[in-house]
Amino acid sequence: GEDVEQSLFLSVREGDSSVINCTYTDSSSTYLYWYKQEPGAGLQLLTYIFSNMDMKQDQRLTVLLNKKDKHLSLRIADTQTGDSAIYFCAESHSSASKIIFGSGTRLSIRP
Amino acid sequence: DADVTQTPRNRITKTGKRIMLECSQTKGHDRMYWYRQDPGLGLRLIYYSFDVKDINKGEISDGYSVSRQAQAKFSLSLESAIPNQTALYFCATSDPTGPSTDTQYFGPGTRLTVL
Repeated sequence: GEDVEQSLFLSVREGDSSVINCTYTDSSSTYLYWYKQEPGAGLQLLTYIFSNMDMKQDQRLTVLLNKKDKHLSLRIADTQTGDSAIYFCAESHSSASKIIFGSGTRLSIRP
Repeated sequence: DADVTQTPRNRITKTGKRIMLECSQTKGHDRMYWYRQDPGLGLRLIYYSFDVKDINKGEISDGYSVSRQAQAKFSLSLESAIPNQTALYFCATSDPTGPSTDTQYFGPGTRLTVL
């Protein structure tokens, strides 16, 4: 079945780059997403990438997709304390009725 | 997202009680979803609805029921709450005609504790 996997924790020094990785199993995925969940809040869409792309950049965020290896990453440049959150990777495909979420990666920032 | 609201935000109840969680949206989306979030397990889909007359079970629907009263309202009920239903519950909506099919917009969550 479909599965999305992420490591549970990542600790980064303030100002460094953070790279959050995700692997998925559904080779027919059409869209891949990164959501951010801040404490006490719901999930907010950060960015998404179509499966026919291999990179998308949006300000400090860079998404890389390796479709052959079914690997998705989110790079946050110049990580700030406000980036502390749980980041969820998710995938869907156009014929499906739902999104499959990973378990989330908790990003913590150290001074 | 203020366009998707959930009530109550927090609820403590006892085993065996019936509980209803409500979700309203002003985004005009046809699709609505209920998820539960448990630490280390991510989000798991309970039920989803593609329009008022369409209700579908997700991966963990046992012990839950839903009602889609209108396009804007989707309620989740726990008929007889049990402690392992203690979790954070999220409502979400999506628009299949948008630029990214199934991009979901989440409510703020309801924290439910069953004693």
